[in-house]
Amino acid sequence: DGGITQSPKYLFRKEGQNVTLSCEQNLNHDAMYWYRQDPGQGLRLIYYSQIVNDFQKGDIAEGYSVSREKKESFPLTVTSAQKNPTAFYLCASSRTSGFNEQFFGPGTRLTVL
Amino acid sequence: AQTVTQSQPEMSVQEAETVTLSCTYDTSESDYYLFWYKQPPSRQMILVIRQEAYKQQNATENRFSVNFQKAAKSFSLKISDSQLGDAAMYFCAYRSLGGSQGNLIFGKGTKLSVKP
Repeated sequence: DGGITQSPKYLFRKEGQNVTLSCEQNLNHDAMYWYRQDPGQGLRLIYYSQIVNDFQKGDIAEGYSVSREKKESFPLTVTSAQKNPTAFYLCASSRTSGFNEQFFGPGTRLTVL
Repeated sequence: AQTVTQSQPEMSVQEAETVTLSCTYDTSESDYYLFWYKQPPSRQMILVIRQEAYKQQNATENRFSVNFQKAAKSFSLKISDSQLGDAAMYFCAYRSLGGSQGNLIFGKGTKLSVKP
């Protein structure tokens, strides 16, 4: 079945440590996105990539980094510079032509202790 | 910059009844897309319905329909014959056709409860 996978579902890290969240898709989509969701908030865009080896900052990129070395993969690193990293993180992908609806993964809940 | 506002943090509906969730948006663009996403307790985001701004006809998907008022910049979601499985967070989202094409701008969501 085609879809988006994110792992792990729950992640715990100590303050000051970098952590990388995985996102893989087998939908053959060119574009991929990372969103952050906090209680009482909508989703806010962290980074997006419309093609391999290229990505752009979203609205809240500070303290995060990404890479896009393969079409299928778009890992997100939460660095120690991110002041409030505890949140729910959602990855999405879409085509870049036509209607290009975004499909979402199941998300990763990151808790920094 | 575009913004999306959902003025109802929480709503409640009796099973089998109809409920309408509100969404307004602000944009200077003439062409764009609007979406409603559902996020159940599993937190998986699911696309419910979409609307192209250039289409005057309101989109419909089974029990879900929208009331799209372009001049008023309003995009409400109507759920008919509500079911227990409709209980979820509902997010309204806007997508531009130019510039950062593909990026979604979300409202803060409306939590819908369905009473048996």
